[in-house]
Amino acid sequence: GAGVSQSPRYKVAKRGQDVALRCDPISGHVSLFWYQQALGQGPEFLTYFQNEAQLDKSGLPSDRFFAERPEGSVSTLKIQRTQQEDSAVYLCASSLGGVAGWADTQYFGPGTRLTVL
Amino acid sequence: DAKTTQPTSMDCAEGRAANLPCNHSTISGNEYVYWYRQIHSQGPQYIIHGLKNNETNEMASLIITEDRKSSTLILPHATLRDTAVYYCIVRLLLGYKLSFGAGTTVTVRA
Repeated sequence: GAGVSQSPRYKVAKRGQDVALRCDPISGHVSLFWYQQALGQGPEFLTYFQNEAQLDKSGLPSDRFFAERPEGSVSTLKIQRTQQEDSAVYLCASSLGGVAGWADTQYFGPGTRLTVL
Repeated sequence: DAKTTQPTSMDCAEGRAANLPCNHSTISGNEYVYWYRQIHSQGPQYIIHGLKNNETNEMASLIITEDRKSSTLILPHATLRDTAVYYCIVRLLLGYKLSFGAGTTVTVRA
């Protein structure tokens, strides 16, 4: 079936603008994750959802970052008042089960490359 | 999660086996070893994982030492399409975060 999809694939924003990044997980996947990948580095965890509940947002770098998954499927990562240091690839991943189960395999989307000018 | 140490880069000849080492000397009994790879401009791709036994799937083999302090990912017949950054990750049995390090940049040469 279809994998994780993300849109847009590329986003250019002027400093101070708000942006919204969308993630469509694999159908039926309970868990959804957002990661941030700076140039030349490995992905860094941002936040985790189990269905519509945001169980961990410890990786969000500031209160300008906000994520939601209101119906337990599609998720949106919003960044307010973007800064140059927000420039990165934002990756979404989903997995079948929840935390109560064993460690599920996470399947990643292609990412959204955000460039803040 | 336990930390991992991988070489920064390595080259491999097309058609030959690629052996990617990873050290995880502080791994605990309830932590798995996971391998992901990331081809340029794509999201990370799951390869394989294991707890203490050797594992094999259609992509690769994972050899974990008896003391579990290190492991080796083996790509049996490397192709140019295997050129990527390979990440070795130690993950709690019931954990959900993946802690990627810098990984190993593998370049397969014709």
